[in-house]
Amino acid sequence: DAGVTQSPTHLIKTRGQHVTLRCSPISGHKSVSWYQQVLGQGPQFIFQYYEKEERGRGNFPDRFSARQFPNYSSELNVNALLLGDSALYLCASSLNGRAGRTDTQYFGPGTRLTVL
Amino acid sequence: TQLLEQSPQFLSIQEGENLTVYCNSSSVFSSLQWYRQEPGEGPVLLVTVVTGGEVKKLKRLTFQFGDARKDSSLHITAAQTGDTGLYLCAGAETSGSRLTFGEGTQLTVNP
Repeated sequence: DAGVTQSPTHLIKTRGQHVTLRCSPISGHKSVSWYQQVLGQGPQFIFQYYEKEERGRGNFPDRFSARQFPNYSSELNVNALLLGDSALYLCASSLNGRAGRTDTQYFGPGTRLTVL
Repeated sequence: TQLLEQSPQFLSIQEGENLTVYCNSSSVFSSLQWYRQEPGEGPVLLVTVVTGGEVKKLKRLTFQFGDARKDSSLHITAAQTGDTGLYLCAGAETSGSRLTFGEGTQLTVNP
């Protein structure tokens, strides 16, 4: 079975532009989470979606938005890009969205976003 | 906000040596995961610990969850060059689903 897939793998944008990142979860998984990982740091939680509903949101500005589609794939959108948005954006899928005791998050390879 | 502190941040050792990485918090987690990440790739799950005091072994790697479920450790015996990578601990909230990650430990095992 295929793991979590993300596209594109790399992206270069300029300040003020908009970007859309895509994620396809593991087959059968209904929950998708997005994380931002700045170089040299651990990933930071951005969003979680389960059954097309937003289940959680991290401490990120409203420029960040996401959605989940009926096939459980997801998009992360970032508007008005800033230099500080340069990071590796990770998508993780899980079966039912309850991390830890009853669930495990599996990560995709990430999308490397560079904002110039 | 739950925080996880990992130490050390950087570790450079010779092949064959032993090492321990620590992950500490003042908060209680329902479970704790350890991931290993290679440059330019996503984190790969190594283990999940859920019960206070739990010890899990994965070949030369030993993971322990603290009795109070606030801390964890990863011990590697006889490190190999293939163990080089970024080791991340991540805690799952008691009532939520997001993962809170530590800053990571960059391990370099030299031949």
